Amino acid sequence: IAGITQAPTSQILAAGRRMTLRCTQDMRHNAMYWYRQDLGLGLRLIHYSNTAGTTGKGEVPDGYSVSRANTDDFPLTLASAVPSQTSVYFCASSKSEGSYNEQFFGPGTRLTVL
Amino acid sequence: LAKTTQPISMDSYEGQEVNITCSHNNIATNDYITWYQQFPSQGPRFIIQGYKTKVTNEVASLFIPADRKSSTLSLPRVSLSDTAVYYCLVGYSNSGYALNFGKGTSLLVTP
Repeated sequence: IAGITQAPTSQILAAGRRMTLRCTQDMRHNAMYWYRQDLGLGLRLIHYSNTAGTTGKGEVPDGYSVSRANTDDFPLTLASAVPSQTSVYFCASSKSEGSYNEQFFGPGTRLTVL
Repeated sequence: LAKTTQPISMDSYEGQEVNITCSHNNIATNDYITWYQQFPSQGPRFIIQGYKTKVTNEVASLFIPADRKSSTLSLPRVSLSDTAVYYCLVGYSNSGYALNFGKGTSLLVTP
């Protein structure tokens, strides 16, 4: 039982480089989310997808893009990384959209932009 | 503006009951309140969820007053292994798509 997997586990990236964080779930969940977690700021929603083929912006979307070509995968791309994007990134999924659906989180990706 | 607030940190001794309150003044009529627990280097995991009044499961209770502008997570008889960060997640559907996490409450349990 995998649940949600994220890759890579950690990454050090030079500023200006492009980076894609991968997220895959095997629970056939319709909704998926990307959060960043920073000390003192908690979890902030970057982008979300309520179903394959649709995406939406969360609280802090600038500098990030997502795609949802199929149900299982929800990659997050940093087109040109900046140091302020240094953070721990969590992918999550839920059966469907809505606050009544439990979110299942991946193990996180620790990204450092130098 | 939707905002979910909770205390930054709390301390407790083993065996005590811990209550963590979350404020969510603008919660939408149809939205739920969910609490998550997070250990270091792990993703958050679901603890409990409720809509109104009281909900209890094997690990916690959740108290929600009638106005639903706040909620209290209650952890009975905490142990050292309950040391973690606890997040309140609230939906603010009236504000457009907005599932808003509080900034988390760091609970330290000591002997």
